[in-house]
Amino acid sequence: AQSVTQPDIHITVSEGASLELRCNYSYGATPYLFWYVQSPGQGLQLLLKYFSGDTLVQGIKGFEAEFKRSQSSFNLRKPSVHWSDAAEYFCAVVGPNFGNEKLTFGTGTRLTIIP
Amino acid sequence: SAVISQKPSRDICQRGTSLTIQCQVDSQVTMMFWYRQQPGQSLTLIATANQGSEATYESGFVIDKFPISRPNLTFSTLTVSNMSPEDSSIYLCSVESGMADTQYFGPGTRLTVL
Repeated sequence: AQSVTQPDIHITVSEGASLELRCNYSYGATPYLFWYVQSPGQGLQLLLKYFSGDTLVQGIKGFEAEFKRSQSSFNLRKPSVHWSDAAEYFCAVVGPNFGNEKLTFGTGTRLTIIP
Repeated sequence: SAVISQKPSRDICQRGTSLTIQCQVDSQVTMMFWYRQQPGQSLTLIATANQGSEATYESGFVIDKFPISRPNLTFSTLTVSNMSPEDSSIYLCSVESGMADTQYFGPGTRLTVL
């Protein structure tokens, strides 16, 4: 069964600093990979997704993520965080089996921004 | 991407009562999903709702507790029945749209059961 691990429960960074949120997955083949963000009291917003091709994907709000097959990772990065980036971030995977597999979420990483 | 709305956005309910949550999408979609997010937790899939067929429930969730309707390709409801404080959660609907199983989520319904 597929699984997702987000090793960091909570990360604190200073405004303007760079950010990297870790995500590791377990799956027999290359799954489809997603990052979602959940601001306080809100639903989930899709930041970016990887299906195939270029392993560095660009998303909204200045985020990017890099798929590394050898490390089974899909880490999310941002060169300079803003106070509005404070939120919960979820990595998710689904197997490429066209609707027959479920989206599996990691446990989330809560990001706090300090001035 | 699909635009999804949910009603109500939040509610406070008494133990033993039921609440029906509505999910409306701005385009026709085949698959809709209902998730529960307990306080401080990640998302857990409750069921998948396809139009014209019975919802498919995940392990640990039953139709008597979480009946789902899917009358057309843009709308679904989830009812939380005979509520207890343990049902206090955020309930989110999502839809598949576009490429490769991409899911888009509604804003969620924050439920508190007293």
